[in-house]
Amino acid sequence: DAKTTQPPSMDCAEGRAANLPCNHSTISGNEYVYWYRQIHSQGPQYIIHGLKNNETNEMASLIITEDRKSSTLILPHATLRDTAVYYCIVENYQLIWGAGTKLIIKP
Amino acid sequence: GAVVSQHPSRVICKSGTSVKIECRSLDFQATTMFWYRQFPKKSLMLMATSNEGSKATYEQGVEKDKFLINHASLTLSTLTVTSAHPEDSSFYICSATTDGRSYNEQFFGPGTRLTVL
Repeated sequence: DAKTTQPPSMDCAEGRAANLPCNHSTISGNEYVYWYRQIHSQGPQYIIHGLKNNETNEMASLIITEDRKSSTLILPHATLRDTAVYYCIVENYQLIWGAGTKLIIKP
Repeated sequence: GAVVSQHPSRVICKSGTSVKIECRSLDFQATTMFWYRQFPKKSLMLMATSNEGSKATYEQGVEKDKFLINHASLTLSTLTVTSAHPEDSSFYICSATTDGRSYNEQFFGPGTRLTVL
């Protein structure tokens, strides 16, 4: 079973920051937080991952709370092409996929 | 970089036939490849993990005689669905990882939609 909890869906206005929350209260010390997204009928796309520190790359920022029990993925300037299902995954061996959050970017 | 392709993208076959799906890493050496299955509106389910030159490790409940996986080179893995039946209709996705990257930083192919009539 997935070890994360995400809201099933979210809306965001185009051009605004999209903040996607994820709860992982049972995370253990050596488990990373990974984020992927899947656009309809395509393979998933890796976004970012982190252990303790906040991370940023060209796609997004990942904010992990100090107790590591939750995290937030931030898409700084959402575009219509960011509409997808976003998966937050906590594992150190293999990816276990939950239901994700369906993010809809609205014009 | 880190592009993974799959072929075919879509296949329709008759019940009882076998179907082969290819997964290729185009610009890197894939030390480990993964095969997933995804039913409509459901999340991905890992089927098996394969390392180049060795036998695949199958997840519980996945029949290894039905879903044959071959990872013969560092750039190619194949999944053969043998004696396919309508319940095997699904979206099959492969992914790959390589040395120097986190094991779970996987690069995914575009998927293959299998429909068994």
